[in-house]
Amino acid sequence: GAVVSQHPSRVICKSGTSVKIECRSLDFQATTMFWYRQFPKQSLMLMATSNEGSKATYEQGVEKDKFLINHASLTLSTLTVTSAHPEDSSFYICSALDRRPYEQYFGPGTRLTVT
Amino acid sequence: ELKVEQNPLFLSMQEGKNYTIYCNYSTTSDRLYWYRQDPGKSLESLFVLLSNGAVKQEGRLMASLDTKARLSTLHITAAVHDLSATYFCAVDASYDKVIFGPGTSLSVIP
Repeated sequence: GAVVSQHPSRVICKSGTSVKIECRSLDFQATTMFWYRQFPKQSLMLMATSNEGSKATYEQGVEKDKFLINHASLTLSTLTVTSAHPEDSSFYICSALDRRPYEQYFGPGTRLTVT
Repeated sequence: ELKVEQNPLFLSMQEGKNYTIYCNYSTTSDRLYWYRQDPGKSLESLFVLLSNGAVKQEGRLMASLDTKARLSTLHITAAVHDLSATYFCAVDASYDKVIFGPGTSLSVIP
């Protein structure tokens, strides 16, 4: 099946710094990718839809100026957590949508810890 | 707004027993997914159900879909310890989005 990678898999950063997470579709082109956040023992919450060549669409309650999303190519979307705070510590998972056939593939996740 | 519910949220079952996890969703949808998540890991796709009456089986797991009732079930047969994990159902919403249920944490004990 299709593969989606994320980098880094783990990151620890200091409060106030910014962190960039990459999501790549390795063997298909994805005009649409999604970013999810998962707190411990909770479900996946959709943060935003990343659209190649256009602005991301954010879910209600997600600060677009804090979580910057760039989808500059058909195989790469990036999520930048700006001015990170401890409450941003979470497991971030991306997914990429392959439209032929229609299926969504999830990345392995990135665990962010903000100290 | 599409809402997805699961029941139960926590399940402790003995090896060899059978049990069913239920997933309800609030509005019409074209697809329903079941995923497994192990601690610290991302999602593993188990089933994609596309039509009313769809039934899929893989090993000890069987999933079904009733679109009229907006209900899917994940049936576990003769549980083994390796099935211990969190199971999520998820439903297609508008604009290609997928909305997840809260998850069912399954623990299979000897």
